Amino acid sequence: RKEVEQDPGPFNVPEGATVAFNCTYSNSASQSFFWYRQDCRKEPKLLMSVYSSGNEDGRFTAQLNRASQYISLLIRDSKLSDSATYLCVVTRDRDDKIIFGKGTRLHILP
Amino acid sequence: GAVVSQHPSRVICKSGTSVKIECRSLDFQATTMFWYRQFPKKSLMLMATSNEGSKATYEQGVEKDKFLINHASLTLSTLTVTSAHPEDSSFYICSASGGSSYGYTFGSGTRLTVV
Repeated sequence: RKEVEQDPGPFNVPEGATVAFNCTYSNSASQSFFWYRQDCRKEPKLLMSVYSSGNEDGRFTAQLNRASQYISLLIRDSKLSDSATYLCVVTRDRDDKIIFGKGTRLHILP
Repeated sequence: GAVVSQHPSRVICKSGTSVKIECRSLDFQATTMFWYRQFPKKSLMLMATSNEGSKATYEQGVEKDKFLINHASLTLSTLTVTSAHPEDSSFYICSASGGSSYGYTFGSGTRLTVV
């Protein structure tokens, strides 16, 4: 089983809709969780950290489910500018390495 | 915020030559740096972890003699692609961490094309 798995998509979603995607991780000792956004041919940029209690930043909500070992990202009122690849990132506790999922491609349709 | 500068942003080189990519933390000390490569439409693949003052740790399948990593100071890590081949053409990105409280900051990436 891969350390971090995501549905590659693409998710084609009309503007204004709500979209959610999950990411599962295999190592129960994983320490920290993040969602990164990557635009085509650009470096990934941190979208938000994911906390155990769940956290929200504007239209974005991230949640962590340790029991089932997944994190989720919810985007409300989606905008055209949300079109990107969303990377799930998990850090391993023993060496602080960053492990990336393969990313989920999101296309917001006008 | 923490800034990581990566240079060059784009390089084209001939097969057989070597290319050096630099990654600098501008406003913090990076005790650990990570080097990734990314093929088109693929995710980032961790190549190696470099810790200041010690040898880099390479991921399985990554040739350490081909991808030389040097992390001689707390603000600079370099990746040298030696004897480059067309299959080394890729997007290389560095990430620096100043410790758990700083999180991870990425350079802007280097697009390497070997012809």
